[in-house]
Amino acid sequence: GNSVTQMEGPVTLSEEAFLTINCTYTATGYPSLFWYVQYPGEGLQLLLKATKADDKGSNKGFEATYRKETTSFHLEKGSVQVSDSAVYFCALSAHTDKLIFGTGTRLQVFP
Amino acid sequence: NAGVTQTPKFQVLKTGQSMTLQCAQDMNHNSMYWYRQDPGMGLRLIYYSASEGTTDKGEVPNGYNVSRLNKREFSLRLESAAPSQTSVYFCASSEGRGRMVEQYFGPGTRLTVT
Repeated sequence: GNSVTQMEGPVTLSEEAFLTINCTYTATGYPSLFWYVQYPGEGLQLLLKATKADDKGSNKGFEATYRKETTSFHLEKGSVQVSDSAVYFCALSAHTDKLIFGTGTRLQVFP
Repeated sequence: NAGVTQTPKFQVLKTGQSMTLQCAQDMNHNSMYWYRQDPGMGLRLIYYSASEGTTDKGEVPNGYNVSRLNKREFSLRLESAAPSQTSVYFCASSEGRGRMVEQYFGPGTRLTVT
């Protein structure tokens, strides 16, 4: 079946460090891929998405590229801020609107 | 524009008690969803509704019932709560079907069953 695998957290970084959170997926066909972010005490909100191979999603300095050859959608940011501290979820939707989530990766950024 | 709202924010139940979690959206979306979030397991779909009057089971529907009261509201009911239902519950909505649509999430309900 379809699934999403994310790197275990927490990821702990100093402010202005480079961030990578790995995400790989298993799916039939051509899924859409998403990154959602959950700030403390809040619901999830869409960070970025990509709907076909080689698409790059970007938002708020975050980027992720849909790599079909490696079935990956890694999240990157060149310089993190304390305000980026949150839990990040990779997700896919295959043939329908139902989302399949990874387990989430907690990011902690210290000044 | 409130987006997706959920009530209550927190709830403590004893085993065997029942309760209904309420969800409403003001974005005129057709599709609505209920998820539960457990540590180390991400979010799992409990039930969803593609339109008013229709509901379908998701990945973990056992122990739950839902009602799509109208286009705005989608409630989740626990008839006889169990400790295994201790979780954070999120409601979400989206404007349609298809694999490209964004889902909008409510702030969640933290439920503890003792």
